[in-house]
Amino acid sequence: DGGITQSPKYLFRKEGQNVTLSCEQNLNHDAMYWYRQDPGQGLRLIYYSQIVNDFQKGDIAEGYSVSREKKESFPLTVTSAQKNPTAFYLCASSRQGARSTEAFFGQGTRLTVV
Amino acid sequence: GESVGLHLPTLSVQEGDNSIINCAYSNSASDYFIWYKQESGKGPQFIIDIRSNMDKRQGQRVTVLLNKTVKHLSLQIAATQPGDSAVYFCAEGGSTLGRLYFGRGTQLTVWP
Repeated sequence: DGGITQSPKYLFRKEGQNVTLSCEQNLNHDAMYWYRQDPGQGLRLIYYSQIVNDFQKGDIAEGYSVSREKKESFPLTVTSAQKNPTAFYLCASSRQGARSTEAFFGQGTRLTVV
Repeated sequence: GESVGLHLPTLSVQEGDNSIINCAYSNSASDYFIWYKQESGKGPQFIIDIRSNMDKRQGQRVTVLLNKTVKHLSLQIAATQPGDSAVYFCAEGGSTLGRLYFGRGTQLTVWP
């Protein structure tokens, strides 16, 4: 089945550690996105990539980093510079340049700082 | 900048009744609007979309209305069922290539 897969589903991080969230898609989509969701909030864009080897900052990129070495993969690293990383992280993909109505979301990763 | 907001954070309805979820937007350059449904602990799922040159679009049990004059759109769910309980987000796109802007969401609760 085609889809977008995030792993792990739950992730615990100690303060001062970097952690990497995985996002893989087999939909042959060019564009991929990372969103952060806090309780009672909408989705806020962290980073997005419209093509391999290229990505742009979203609205809340500070403390995060991404790479896009392969079309299928768009991992997100939450660095120690992110002061409040506990949140629900969502990855999405869509066809490049197309209406984002084709955007498909993964099931999310819940990150907790312990 | 763009902003997408919702009038009510929560909505409770009786099973079988119709539900109306509202959304306001501020960017006149938005080309299309999308409604997503998010169940607890899951990623958002696409429900229906509408382009800015349309006023109304219908799907299965859902209708989206767009009023560009007052920059308002709504999602109507007919004969609401317990399985419709979720958070509903409106999102706006088209003003910036490749980006969607999401509102806060409305929690819909359906009572039996």
